[in-house]
Amino acid sequence: GAVVSQHPSWVICKSGTSVKIECRSLDFQATTMFWYRQFPKQSLMLMATSNEGSKATYEQGVEKDKFLINHASLTLSTLTVTSAHPEDSSFYICSATGGYGANVLTFGAGSRLTVL
Amino acid sequence: QKEVEQDPGPLSVPEGAIVSLNCTYSNSAFQYFMWYRQYSRKGPELLMYTYSSGNKEDGRFTAQVDKSSKYISLFIRDSQPSDSATYLCAILGGNTGKLIFGQGTTLQVKP
Repeated sequence: GAVVSQHPSWVICKSGTSVKIECRSLDFQATTMFWYRQFPKQSLMLMATSNEGSKATYEQGVEKDKFLINHASLTLSTLTVTSAHPEDSSFYICSATGGYGANVLTFGAGSRLTVL
Repeated sequence: QKEVEQDPGPLSVPEGAIVSLNCTYSNSAFQYFMWYRQYSRKGPELLMYTYSSGNKEDGRFTAQVDKSSKYISLFIRDSQPSDSATYLCAILGGNTGKLIFGQGTTLQVKP
């Protein structure tokens, strides 16, 4: 089956530093990857859509200069949280299409970011 | 009105019970319907997907879509404590191509 690997699963950083989260499709080529943010006991909030070889499309209210997304290959997308602050602490989840079909998302296991 | 509505619960049932989880949606153009299971501190895991009205069965899970009522359901037979998780319905938006999630229903199956 389609597998999406996300790394790291948990990261703690100091305020003001930058953190990079990787999302890889292991056994399929992902032309499109999505980045979500999830607060406790809430549903997933789409942050941005990432297409290989082009700029990411950000949802309204998401700062593109703060959340840098790079999708350099068909199997890797990265999310960099720049100058992280405690309010950026959250669960970040990536997903990709192309595994089960163009319309079905496969999710990574998520990355928990804690900013001190 | 939200595009996808889902009762957040929590829903608590005894082991062996039949569980019914539901979502309603507002746009009749929506075509792809998915159910995801999310354990605490983990990413969502795809359970089932369908694009047509009717039932689709996979083991103890049955997904049901009623396009005329804009209503989707997930039934879990012989529920187990390991089924305790949050279940998210997700629908592919017609024109946007984006997946729209319900709020998620938290299920607890008690032994």
